[in-house]
Amino acid sequence: DSGVTQTPKHLITATGQRVTLRCSPRSGDLSVYWYQQSLDQGLQFLIQYYNGEERAKGNILERFSAQQFPDLHSELNLSSLELGDSALYFCASSPLDFLNTGELFFGEGSRLTVL
Amino acid sequence: GEDVEQSLFLSVREGDSSVINCTYTDSSSTYLYWYKQEPGAGLQLLTYIFSNMDMKQDQRLTVLLNKKDKHLSLRIADTQTGDSAIYFCAERRSSASKIIFGSGTRLSIRP
Repeated sequence: DSGVTQTPKHLITATGQRVTLRCSPRSGDLSVYWYQQSLDQGLQFLIQYYNGEERAKGNILERFSAQQFPDLHSELNLSSLELGDSALYFCASSPLDFLNTGELFFGEGSRLTVL
Repeated sequence: GEDVEQSLFLSVREGDSSVINCTYTDSSSTYLYWYKQEPGAGLQLLTYIFSNMDMKQDQRLTVLLNKKDKHLSLRIADTQTGDSAIYFCAERRSSASKIIFGSGTRLSIRP
């Protein structure tokens, strides 16, 4: 158990809909990262937040948005869903000494299926 | 660019050594990692190496870094069935906090 909690574990929805994925980082971790894992694209970095502020942005679509709340949990919002958005979405958090070790702690992921 | 490339599959016999290879393109990458993803689980850090090192050994794991060729490898000695997983190579520049992952290599073990 990494200490990172993601909900829901599975989600099935239709094209055009909107969903919200939630992540609670490990206790004490200020940074939250979102990654998308699909069969044809591998593990793609989406976005990172540090203590409530956006720190780095990757290949995140405009239809997607994220935020980190004062209690440090984060939400990833996916809207106008398309079939190609079906993937496993991972959240990871990092400890305060991240810049030394670079270790990310991953949740078990939220599997999104768009029909 | 920010590309990390790995072969998708590797099959080895139980007890043999597994060698998983990775190439990266960012010459300014300072930290290089190997993460392991077991079925149904998130990724876990296996080991990492700084770019000023050539080799790092940790029990059955040996990481080799060829900075000139931007090539990283992970050797698992005496491969066991519990080593079946997807192995991800990843890189990070010292000035950046995001980690860029490869597509992962699925390691399967045959008896």
